[in-house]
Amino acid sequence: DAKTTQPNSMESNEEEPVHLPCNHSTISGTDYIHWYRQLPSQGPEYVIHGLTSNVNNRMASLAIAEDRKSSTLILHRATLRDAAVYYCILRAHPSGNTGKLIFGQGTTLQVKP
Amino acid sequence: ETGVTQTPRHLVMGMTNKKSLKCEQHLGHNAMYWYKQSAKKPLELMFVYSLEERVENNSVPSRFSPECPNSSHLFLHLHTLQPEDSALYLCASSQDFEQPNSPLHFGNGTRLTVT
Repeated sequence: DAKTTQPNSMESNEEEPVHLPCNHSTISGTDYIHWYRQLPSQGPEYVIHGLTSNVNNRMASLAIAEDRKSSTLILHRATLRDAAVYYCILRAHPSGNTGKLIFGQGTTLQVKP
Repeated sequence: ETGVTQTPRHLVMGMTNKKSLKCEQHLGHNAMYWYKQSAKKPLELMFVYSLEERVENNSVPSRFSPECPNSSHLFLHLHTLQPEDSALYLCASSQDFEQPNSPLHFGNGTRLTVT
């Protein structure tokens, strides 16, 4: 799986939008972009994934650059419960990939009241 | 309730003990995984099972022995562990282990301390 690069940490104010960047310059044409987050004392939680088009769900939005070399996870209104480590991960296609989610260090998001 | 339940949440064991970690998924998924998360290190994939068949073993020492009796249950049997095996052990499941757009669902882990 291709490598991703994320800032080590970010800060946000409560109720403001948060944009978490991820660079993946070596992404291949069929790699999916996944985002997970890990709250303190919990297992990772799936947030969102996409291939080429921007994606929205109840938790967040994923904006994917036209050349797919970077993406941004958008939390529209940060709450204190969004403080977590956010992981940006690429998963390869075609089939034969065995769920090898290769976790990096991620971005630690702090949300200030 | 995450849909993936792990027990126990905490475990302290001596190096000569034998213990087992249990994972159960209530999501009807076909694949189950064991991950290890050591302090200050990224998650490491240990084992993958698909339809009760082991499909991945990431060079894990033999003192860790997985068992998948059915698609809903996964165990990790532990024996003669070392202090450096102390970590958070996470179980996960997914609908299809081969599809890269199939999200993983994680349990909250078992915090293992080896004394």
